[in-house]
Amino acid sequence: AQRVTQPEKLLSVFKGAPVELKCNYSYSGSPELFWYVQYSRQRLQLLLRHISRESIKGFTADLNKGETSFHLKKPFAQEEDSAMYYCALKEGSGSRLTFGEGTQLTVNP
Amino acid sequence: EAQVTQNPRYLITVTGKKLTVTCSQNMNHEYMSWYRQDPGLGLRQIYYSMNVEVTDKGDVPEGYKVSRKEKRNFPLILESPSPNQTSLYFCASSLSQQGTDTQYFGPGTRLTVL
Repeated sequence: AQRVTQPEKLLSVFKGAPVELKCNYSYSGSPELFWYVQYSRQRLQLLLRHISRESIKGFTADLNKGETSFHLKKPFAQEEDSAMYYCALKEGSGSRLTFGEGTQLTVNP
Repeated sequence: EAQVTQNPRYLITVTGKKLTVTCSQNMNHEYMSWYRQDPGLGLRQIYYSMNVEVTDKGDVPEGYKVSRKEKRNFPLILESPSPNQTSLYFCASSLSQQGTDTQYFGPGTRLTVL
């Protein structure tokens, strides 16, 4: 069964510091991976997906099939990045989206 | 404005009293789903629907029912709510089930079952 693990429930960094939110997955096929973000009192929204190989709000994530990881990175964190981040996996041809437990990121001034 | 709406946003009820949480989208999306969000467990899919009259179980379907009579609506039904169903519920929709389609989430419904 597919599974997504985010080992850090809480992550705190200072403004301007690099940040990395870890995500590991287990899935035997070809997964599609996503990062979702939930700002305080707002709905969940898509941040980025591996298939697009894009950078959104300075965040990037690279799919590492060898390590089965999809870590989210930003070189210089900003206070407005404080939010709950969820990593999610979708089967290549399936419909289910499996989320990790989430990581609460706090960027301190 | 393209959006997913849920009602009610907050609900406190008692064990056994049937309730329905509505979800509606105005984007003509085929795919809709329900999740519950619990601390330390993240989001878990309850049910999903790939189109009208096509629904299937997600990871945690026990105690829930859904229906998809119209494309825009996907209500979540709790026939006999129990305290372990106290949670934050999110409805989501996307154009199809393809991974390239963005899922749009509703604002959430916070349910408390006493």
